[in-house]
Amino acid sequence: NAGVTQTPKFQVLKTGQSMTLQCAQDMNHEYMSWYRQDPGMGLRLIHYSVGAGITDQGEVPNGYNVSRSTTEDFPLRLLSAAPSQTSVYFCASRQGGSGNTIYFGEGSWLTVV
Amino acid sequence: GQQVMQIPQYQHVQEGEDFTTYCNSSTTLSNIQWYKQRPGGHPVFLIQLVKSGEVKKQKRLTFQFGEAKKNSSLHITATQTTDVGTYFCAGIQGAQKLVFGQGTRLTINP
Repeated sequence: NAGVTQTPKFQVLKTGQSMTLQCAQDMNHEYMSWYRQDPGMGLRLIHYSVGAGITDQGEVPNGYNVSRSTTEDFPLRLLSAAPSQTSVYFCASRQGGSGNTIYFGEGSWLTVV
Repeated sequence: GQQVMQIPQYQHVQEGEDFTTYCNSSTTLSNIQWYKQRPGGHPVFLIQLVKSGEVKKQKRLTFQFGEAKKNSSLHITATQTTDVGTYFCAGIQGAQKLVFGQGTRLTINP
């Protein structure tokens, strides 16, 4: 049972480059989300999706795009990387409403130079 | 918007001492969840509290939800080195969004 799988685990980008962080879950969860974690800031919601074809913005969406073409996959795209996007990114999923447990991927460490 | 504040940001204790982290919301919460993140790891669900005044225990961990459902606490009795990590509360208001506190990073001197 893989759970939530994120790739890549580590990435270094140059300012202005674009890239996609991949996220896949095999639990048939309806809800998927992306968080970024910065020291002293906790986990901040970037984008989320309540099902295939439906996405919405979280707390810090600027500079990121998402799509949800299938239930399993929820990629996060950085359009033009900036040093301020250096962070640890976590993908997460859960079944149904907000009262259910969130399962996190292992994280993607991104450095923008 | 909803804000969840967590204090302290850091806590260093001697092994065997107790530890408490507090979580306060600007709005009434429907539920609150607690997560633990080991150094270099990802957050892992610990527990969910739903009822006003609820108290739940997991071995040496005691979780409380305030009567007004705007605050919560996690207390660890007699800390062990395995308790090292960052503890997050996450408040739920409405159907879809969790709002995480900033976390309390616990370090322990063996």
